[in-house]
Amino acid sequence: GAVVSQHPSRVICKSGTSVKIECRSLDFQATTMFWYRQFPKKSLMLMATSNEGSKATYEQGVEKDKFLINHASLTLSTLTVTSAHPEDSSFYICSARDLAGDWDTQYFGPGTRLTVL
Amino acid sequence: AQKVTQAQTEISVVEKEDVTLDCVYETRDTTYYLFWYKQPPSGEWVFLIRRNSFDEQNEISGRYSWNFQKSTSSFNFTITASQVVDSAVYFCALSTTSGTYKYIFGTGTRLKVLA
Repeated sequence: GAVVSQHPSRVICKSGTSVKIECRSLDFQATTMFWYRQFPKKSLMLMATSNEGSKATYEQGVEKDKFLINHASLTLSTLTVTSAHPEDSSFYICSARDLAGDWDTQYFGPGTRLTVL
Repeated sequence: AQKVTQAQTEISVVEKEDVTLDCVYETRDTTYYLFWYKQPPSGEWVFLIRRNSFDEQNEISGRYSWNFQKSTSSFNFTITASQVVDSAVYFCALSTTSGTYKYIFGTGTRLKVLA
């Protein structure tokens, strides 16, 4: 149980284009999902908290107009990197809380490696 | 202030050796949760254990064991008879009520198990 998927796993795009990353909780409902970014050999940096049916809460320093988050259902949150630039290249990981289980535990997706040329 | 410290940046052991990964946390909350995650070279994060602040019982799961000591604010992780497949980066995390249950991560410990 508590499986989180992400799609795509890898994406390469040209500078200036937008990229959408999907995060799904496969076998549980998640009113709260988190989006992280991980730099090489570093821990996770929380970008935003995504709440089903409401606006995401962004961490300080994260541009909300650049990283658009939508959490339209209890099992799906999307992160859209708009007008991507090479500095946006990174490993993006989502996580979700299982309300029915240990609700404080986050289960992570496998991550999406974004490369912007 | 809330903080998680994993002082060991990298550890190398030979297969079948036991290894302990240290995690020290700081929080003034009385209710909090501690976690360990594993990130193998493939990149995905694997949940290993959750422990709440009211449960100081140590836990054993196969070759893995965890020692939670509130007196020293530590939540250490021991792998017994390590295997090459244990090679990964291991992260300790803390979540608290006052922190709205967001995770505070340690910087991770890279474990290399040599054959």
